[in-house]
Amino acid sequence: GQQLNQSPQSMFIQEGEDVSMNCTSSSIFNTWLWYKQDPGEGPVLLIALYKAGELTSNGRLTAQFGITRKDSFLNISASIPSDVGIYFCAGRGTSGSRLTFGEGTQLTVNP
Amino acid sequence: DSGVTQTPKHLITATGQRVTLRCSPRSGDLSVYWYQQSLDQGLQFLIQYYNGEERAKGNILERFSAQQFPDLHSELNLSSLELGDSALYFCASSGGFGSGNTIYFGEGSWLTVV
Repeated sequence: GQQLNQSPQSMFIQEGEDVSMNCTSSSIFNTWLWYKQDPGEGPVLLIALYKAGELTSNGRLTAQFGITRKDSFLNISASIPSDVGIYFCAGRGTSGSRLTFGEGTQLTVNP
Repeated sequence: DSGVTQTPKHLITATGQRVTLRCSPRSGDLSVYWYQQSLDQGLQFLIQYYNGEERAKGNILERFSAQQFPDLHSELNLSSLELGDSALYFCASSGGFGSGNTIYFGEGSWLTVV
């Protein structure tokens, strides 16, 4: 089956720093999605990517769909305390509509 | 607000009992997905329904079952509950099977088995 490796597992940064996290897949994906989950809440969609090479921004967040279609990264610029949470990547492959999720990146921002 | 509604938000029940979690998808979405998230764990896919029919099955236990009704709402039934079933259960919905649409999550149902 499809496997997603998300890294890093956790990050501890100072407010104002930039952050980068990425996901790699063992197979080709047609869609990459990035979600953020606050404690006790449902994952909230941040960015959706549908084409290889696509670079999309949402405020301070930027995500890219890798050229090989097997990876994606998410950057957060000028982090603020409310960026704290777990960030999940998710990919949808060619065989159907089921999403595969990464294990998540726990982000801690120190003020 | 994602448009996906889940009830109840919190539930505490005893081992051996049975509970039903309910989900109303976003307006117009035909697919409903159920995920389980245990403490400090990732999202484990349980099952997907599309327009009333089961489409994909993940790591769903035999004690668990789900269905999607003609009005497209879905229920996840958890029976013979064990302590390890305590988790957040998420419902998500999307526009169609294989369409590449994104999925949107509800706020989850917290299940505590004591």
